[in-house]
Amino acid sequence: DAEITQSPRHKITETGRQVTLACHQTWNHNNMFWYRQDLGHGLRLIHYSYGVQDTNKGEVSDGYSVSRSNTEDLPLTLESAASSQTSVYFCASSERRIGVRPIETQYFGPGTRLLVL
Amino acid sequence: GESVGLHLPTLSVQEGDNSIINCAYSNSASDYFIWYKQESGKGPQFIIDIRSNMDKRQGQRVTVLLNKTVKHLSLQIAATQPGDSAVYFCAENMNYGGATNKLIFGTGTLLAVQP
Repeated sequence: DAEITQSPRHKITETGRQVTLACHQTWNHNNMFWYRQDLGHGLRLIHYSYGVQDTNKGEVSDGYSVSRSNTEDLPLTLESAASSQTSVYFCASSERRIGVRPIETQYFGPGTRLLVL
Repeated sequence: GESVGLHLPTLSVQEGDNSIINCAYSNSASDYFIWYKQESGKGPQFIIDIRSNMDKRQGQRVTVLLNKTVKHLSLQIAATQPGDSAVYFCAENMNYGGATNKLIFGTGTLLAVQP
């Protein structure tokens, strides 16, 4: 069955280190998204991509970067991890629909719990 | 310790009762709404959606009601079961024109089902 996976599921790192979180989907979805989830804030969009070589900043993009070299993967990199980036990170994907009012339901991965010490 | 203001709203119901979870959305131009269920330690799971040209949609044991006049969305779960215990949150789809869409998520409501 098609799915979306994230790795690692848990990660502990130190302040200042570079960390990369992987996201892989087998639905062949054009759209992919990264969110962070913190108590009291809900899901906040970090970066998103509408296709290969396309990346866009979300509302909380500072300190994060993404790259989209193929359809299946959108790795999220924390360039220099900070304690404020301790969070649960979710990747999501959706099918690109062309139309007057495109509706694109997002499907989520299981999450990566990141602790920055 | 816990911080004031960071508690999720909680709805506690008895097993077998009906549950109603409410959501207020922000943008009158939003054209599509989704309810997600998130169990502890898992990613959000799609439950049901509704377009803005509808005011009610039913699924299996779930019904979503949309009141555009007051920008209110509700999720009704019939005969609530212990497996329904989770955080539920709504999302609104904001159409920025063309093919650009973004989902804006609410902070969620914790549904606790008492046996």
